[in-house]
Amino acid sequence: AQSVTQPDIHITVSEGASLELRCNYSYGATPYLFWYVQSPGQGLQLLLKYFSGDTLVQGIKGFEAEFKRSQSSFNLRKPSVHWSDAAEYFCAVGGAGSARQLTFGSGTQLTVLP
Amino acid sequence: SAVISQKPSRDICQRGTSLTIQCQVDSQVTMMFWYRQQPGQSLTLIATANQGSEATYESGFVIDKFPISRPNLTFSTLTVSNMSPEDSSIYLCSVTDSATNEKLFFGSGTQLSVL
Repeated sequence: AQSVTQPDIHITVSEGASLELRCNYSYGATPYLFWYVQSPGQGLQLLLKYFSGDTLVQGIKGFEAEFKRSQSSFNLRKPSVHWSDAAEYFCAVGGAGSARQLTFGSGTQLTVLP
Repeated sequence: SAVISQKPSRDICQRGTSLTIQCQVDSQVTMMFWYRQQPGQSLTLIATANQGSEATYESGFVIDKFPISRPNLTFSTLTVSNMSPEDSSIYLCSVTDSATNEKLFFGSGTQLSVL
């Protein structure tokens, strides 16, 4: 069965500092990987996705993520965090052509200090 | 990307009552889904809303508790029936991109509190 682990429940960084949110997955085939962000009172917004090809993917809002098959990881990074990045971040894994089979991680809450 | 309007955005309901949540998409989409996000937890898929046929429910969710309608390719409703405090959650409508059915787009959610 597929699964996603986000080991950090809560992360606090200072504005301007770099950020890395961890995501480890378990999937029996080639995974499709996603990062979503949820701001308070909002639905989820897709930040970026990995399907194939270049293992470093660029997303919106200056985020990037790197797929490392050997480590079963898909960590999200941002070189300089802005106060507006404070939100909850979800990693998800699924298979080709079937969004129904997406499995979401438990989320990482990001707090940004001024 | 699809624009999804979900309402109500929040509601406070009494135990034993039912609430119907509406989801309207600005374009025709093949697949629509309903998720539940319990407090402090991740998203759990409730069901896939199928146009013109009965919804497909995930393990642990049943039609009597969560009846779903999907009369056309742009609209769906989810009803939370005979509510109890354990149903207090955020309920999210989502759709896939029509090109690949791989990416999910989400509505802003319905925050439900049951007293």
